[in-house]
This record gives sequence, structure tokens and C-alpha cells, in this order.
Amino acid sequence: ILNVEQSPQSLHVQEGDSTNFTCSFPSSNFYALHWYRWETAKSPEALFVMTLNGDEKKKGRISATLNTKEGYSYLYIKGSQPEDSATYLCAFRTGANNLFFGTGTRLTVIP
Amino acid sequence: DSGVTQTPKHLITATGQRVTLRCSPRSGDLSVYWYQQSLDQGLQFLIQYYNGEERAKGNILERFSAQQFPDLHSELNLSSLELGDSALYFCASSVGDSPLHFGNGTRLTVT
Repeated sequence: ILNVEQSPQSLHVQEGDSTNFTCSFPSSNFYALHWYRWETAKSPEALFVMTLNGDEKKKGRISATLNTKEGYSYLYIKGSQPEDSATYLCAFRTGANNLFFGTGTRLTVIP
Repeated sequence: DSGVTQTPKHLITATGQRVTLRCSPRSGDLSVYWYQQSLDQGLQFLIQYYNGEERAKGNILERFSAQQFPDLHSELNLSSLELGDSALYFCASSVGDSPLHFGNGTRLTVT
């Protein structure tokens, strides 16, 4: 069982603010890092799959970076909107194909 | 719609009983993952199957077992149920290095 840590645990921001969260994972036996968005009463949906050190991915106002050498990834949301309110999960995939999730960052965007 | 189907949606049973949760993966996906989400906990990885064979084991209790059938659907069996087994159980599927697609979950309540 691998330790994947996310911080902060929860976050409240005003509409229009930009924000970011951190995912920390073991730097050894890295295969991929996933980000998921999980809205209340729904199931998690994939945002990004990142595999290369230095990778940057972007989808609309959401972007992510990856540092496999030091074992962290950042997720950024620019100009937060109320519909961005959700729990953001990262998941670390090892070479053995297991996928371990962090406990998530719960974002609330206040209108 | 993720294409992953989980049944039943809700299940209420008594302590000591046994239940079976069912998952049909997205068409073409060979891997099936089971996760448990207890109150205020993140997604705990239980077990993964790939094309009918167990691929990885996480924090799965001995009272729990799973299998993946030739048609790739999977079942998670939970026996000698305890109050603490009450949780939301998610199934997810994937193919290759693609992200996971999650079902809507089965909410198990043990009374």
C-alpha cells in the first residue's frame, strides 16, 4: 500500500480566484499520475493522466504539472467558478499497474 | 455515462450476512478495479483484475473476495458483514494506460 498525500484537505475560495492543490507520491517505481474530479453524488471523472517528468497538461481553466523526481504534482484552477466545486483526487500508478488514490482536496467556490 | 454499470445501487443487510456486488466494465476494458469509500475516508483500493486474473491486491479483508468472469464482468463478495463494512463500493475499469472509468457505486448499509 503506497502513501499518496494531498493538501490541503479542503479549501474555500471566492468566485474568480485562482487556486492550486498538491499531490505528493513516492518518487520510486513511478508509472503515471492521474487527476480526477469528483462531484457530490456522482462518480469520479478523469481530468489528466501524466507520465513524464515535467509534463504539463491543460483542460480549459484547469492545468496540472508533474515532478516525478521529487514526487509531486500540482493542480491549478484559474478563475474558479461555482461549478468547479468538487473533490479533486490524484492517483499514483506503479509499474505493477495498481492505482492508489489520495484522500482528495475538497474545493468549495463561493459565489 | 461512463459505461461502467454497478448493481445494485443500494443494499441494506444485517451483520453476519453475505452480499455480492456486481460490476460490468466499459466495453473493451480488460481491467476492473474495486474501491471502498467509507465515511470521511478516501478511495481505498481493494483489488484489481485483468482479463480474468487477479493483478493486484490492496487493503482487502479476508472476509472479502472478488472474481472476474470470462465475459469480464466482476463480482465482489463480502461475507460475515460488520457495521464497519458500511460504505460506498466503487468499481472502475480501464484498458491499457487509459484513466479509470468509474461506475456509480453501490451503497452498502449494514445494520
